[in-house]
Amino acid sequence: NAGVTQTPKFQVLKTGQSMTLQCAQDMNHNSMYWYRQDPGMGLRLIYYSASEGTTDKGEVPNGYNVSRLNKREFSLRLESAAPSQTSVYFCASSPGTSGNEQFFGPGTRLTVL
Amino acid sequence: AQSVTQLGSHVSVSEGALVLLRCNYSSSVPPYLFWYVQYPNQGLQLLLKYTSAATLVKGINGFEAEFKKSETSFHLTKPSAHMSDAAEYFCAVSGGDTGFQKLVFGTGTRLLVSP
Repeated sequence: NAGVTQTPKFQVLKTGQSMTLQCAQDMNHNSMYWYRQDPGMGLRLIYYSASEGTTDKGEVPNGYNVSRLNKREFSLRLESAAPSQTSVYFCASSPGTSGNEQFFGPGTRLTVL
Repeated sequence: AQSVTQLGSHVSVSEGALVLLRCNYSSSVPPYLFWYVQYPNQGLQLLLKYTSAATLVKGINGFEAEFKKSETSFHLTKPSAHMSDAAEYFCAVSGGDTGFQKLVFGTGTRLLVSP
């Protein structure tokens, strides 16, 4: 099992460009998440999908959109990238029931110039 | 809303010394608590979790944590540090008014281990 996979690993964008970060999990998990990690701020939740067909905003959703394509895949889209979106992005998945931990992907390092 | 406080953004220890990383949480109801470790340029990996069973929880790599409700704490310890323990450690909480499907993370503590 690959667990949680993310593509790409690295990306450099210019201000105003758009891109989609891809995430897939092969653990048959119900819930999936997108976080951003910035120095000194821990991980902050951008969006999550509690189950296939649903998505909800997290703590920092502005400037992002998500799509739960199917049970396996959850993508994050930046429509018009800004330097403030320079960060490391992590996707995670979880069975979605009480007490379950989340399993993390390796991350995407995004730089917006 | 629930929150997690990790005291000390950096902790330095010598190899073989006790490791103590502090985590305090705020929650109106008994929470679920987690410790994750992040090695450089990698994702987060679960060290251990508390889900209302035993208050002393043992995890991987010799780490353990004790849930103390009266102190709202869930500190992470390891009796003897190894060079390979150098990493960033995150405490997280779920449950209560946040809901069990979301995790709220602390800001992390970087553990430095010197020879």
